[in-house]
Amino acid sequence: RKEVEQDPGPFNVPEGATVAFNCTYSNSASQSFFWYRQDCRKEPKLLMSVYSSGNEDGRFTAQLNRASQYISLLIRDSKLSDSATYLCVVKGDDYKLSFGAGTTVTVRA
Amino acid sequence: DAGVTQSPTHLIKTRGQQVTLRCSPISGHKSVSWYQQVLGQGPQFIFQYYEKEERGRGNFPDRFSARQFPNYSSELNVNALLLGDSALYLCASSLGPGPTDTQYFGPGTRLTVL
Repeated sequence: RKEVEQDPGPFNVPEGATVAFNCTYSNSASQSFFWYRQDCRKEPKLLMSVYSSGNEDGRFTAQLNRASQYISLLIRDSKLSDSATYLCVVKGDDYKLSFGAGTTVTVRA
Repeated sequence: DAGVTQSPTHLIKTRGQQVTLRCSPISGHKSVSWYQQVLGQGPQFIFQYYEKEERGRGNFPDRFSARQFPNYSSELNVNALLLGDSALYLCASSLGPGPTDTQYFGPGTRLTVL
């Protein structure tokens, strides 16, 4: 079983739409959780950390459910510039990062 | 402030050759991690170094090795290259190796093995 699993998508949404997707992780001892964004052939860039209480950064909302071991990301009012691959990332008790394979989001005009 | 830098940007090698990739962390960061990303997959952890000591190693063969220098820069070496080593190699730096230390990625080195 993979350490982090994501729905690969792609999610094709019109501008202004809301899109949400999840990932699940297998290690119940995981310490920290993140969403990174990766544009085509570029490096991953931190989008936001994910906290147990849930957190919001502008149009982006992340939720963590430790009991069910899943993390979610919701994007409101999608922009063309939100088109990217979103990587779910978990830091284990050994402090190494484990990445999902990514969820591809395409926002169309 | 400069971000994480990596060199070279692109590299083409043939099977059996050896390669050295270089990484300079963000100023003040003492931890460097290396990842391999093949097309269509997320990055896979190779090594983490902190204060010049190896702090973690992923499931990669002994052909992969790394080191960290006193200025916290790092090198990743891969010997006896295989076609399957073709990938984007990413370096990430962080203040430390702890659970709340955010990792910031460099632009990567794209390695092609022919």
